[in-house]
Amino acid sequence: NAGVTQTPKFRVLKTGQSMTLLCAQDMNHEYMYWYRQDPGMGLRLIHYSVGEGTTAKGEVPDGYNVSRLKKQNFLLGLESAAPSQTSVYFCASTGPRGSYNEQFFGPGTRLTVL
Amino acid sequence: GQQVMQIPQYQHVQEGEDFTTYCNSSTTLSNIQWYKQRPGGHPVFLIQLVKSGEVKKQKRLTFQFGEAKKNSSLHITATQTTDVGTYFCAGPQTSYDKVIFGPGTSLSVIP
Repeated sequence: NAGVTQTPKFRVLKTGQSMTLLCAQDMNHEYMYWYRQDPGMGLRLIHYSVGEGTTAKGEVPDGYNVSRLKKQNFLLGLESAAPSQTSVYFCASTGPRGSYNEQFFGPGTRLTVL
Repeated sequence: GQQVMQIPQYQHVQEGEDFTTYCNSSTTLSNIQWYKQRPGGHPVFLIQLVKSGEVKKQKRLTFQFGEAKKNSSLHITATQTTDVGTYFCAGPQTSYDKVIFGPGTSLSVIP
């Protein structure tokens, strides 16, 4: 039982490059989330999903896209990376639907955009 | 929009001293969660409070939910170096779908 895993763990991009971050969970959770964490800013929600095939915008969605083709996977894409997207990205999941439960976080992806 | 604030932003204590962080919401919350993030790590769930005035304890940690369900606190008695990290509170937004995290309180413990 791996919980929530994220790949890659580290990445350095040049401005304008694209990349995809992968999140996978093996807890059969309905809800999945992508957050970014910057110093002094806490965790800010980028996009989230309430089930397979669904996605929704969070607090800071600009410059990012997501997809949830399979229940266990949630992908975060950066089409044209900018230095302002340098951050630590965390994926989280929770369930079941219709109740408040703890969020399980992945180990994070540290992204630097030069 | 809904806001969740935490004070202080940083706290440095001598090992053995007590520590308290406060969480305040701009709206009434149905529940509140607390998470801990060790340096270089990821947030880990500590506890969830649901009832008005609820107090829960986990060893040296005491969590309280305010009577009006708009504020909460985390108190650590006799801090240890293992308590180092950032403590976040989180409250639900309008639906079950998501929560909003406070900015966190970073605790340093001086041995």
